[in-house]
Amino acid sequence: AQKVTQAQTEISVVEKEDVTLDCVYETRDTTYYLFWYKQPPSGELVFLIRRNSFDEQNEISGRYSWNFQKSTSSFNFTITASQVVDSAVYFCALSEGENTGFQKLVFGTGTRLLVSP
Amino acid sequence: DVKVTQSSRYLVKRTGEKVFLECVQDMDHENMFWYRQDPGLGLRLIYFSYDVKMKEKGDIPEGYSVSREKKERFSLILESASTNQTSMYLCASSLESGGAVSETQYFGPGTRLLVL
Repeated sequence: AQKVTQAQTEISVVEKEDVTLDCVYETRDTTYYLFWYKQPPSGELVFLIRRNSFDEQNEISGRYSWNFQKSTSSFNFTITASQVVDSAVYFCALSEGENTGFQKLVFGTGTRLLVSP
Repeated sequence: DVKVTQSSRYLVKRTGEKVFLECVQDMDHENMFWYRQDPGLGLRLIYFSYDVKMKEKGDIPEGYSVSREKKERFSLILESASTNQTSMYLCASSLESGGAVSETQYFGPGTRLLVL
């Protein structure tokens, strides 16, 4: 079965610190996609990134960067110079359904990030 | 931008009531999804739909039903609400995947349901 593990339940940092959120996944699919979503206190999940299993190149978007390592089945997310507005719950998700044609997402349990001034 | 809206942000119902949660998307997406979110459990898929009048059970369909009469609207129905259905409900939509699993799901703001 597909599975996504976010072992860090909650992380607290002080503004301007760097922070890494871990995500480890399990899948038997050869083609799959990984996602990160942000859920601020307002509740809406905001899409951050999508990465396919054939692209292991790291990606950077402003203060955000993602490290995808197929060898360790990890897709970690780093926020550089964190800000109070980064405070949210972050979810890692794995797509499944390669053989069924129906896309389903399997979510991790989320990591709550608290950034204090 | 994709816009997914949900009819209520907060809802309080009594045990045994029939509850309707509505979701509308404005991007002509074929796929729509209902999740519930509970602390420590992440998001779990209740039902999804890949076309009008089509539906598929997700991981936790018991106690729920869905309706998709129009492409842009996907309703979640609690036939007889129970206290263990108190939760945050999130709707999402995505483009037709065409057999692939690549399409991004876009979420609504969620409905916090309290069943007393």
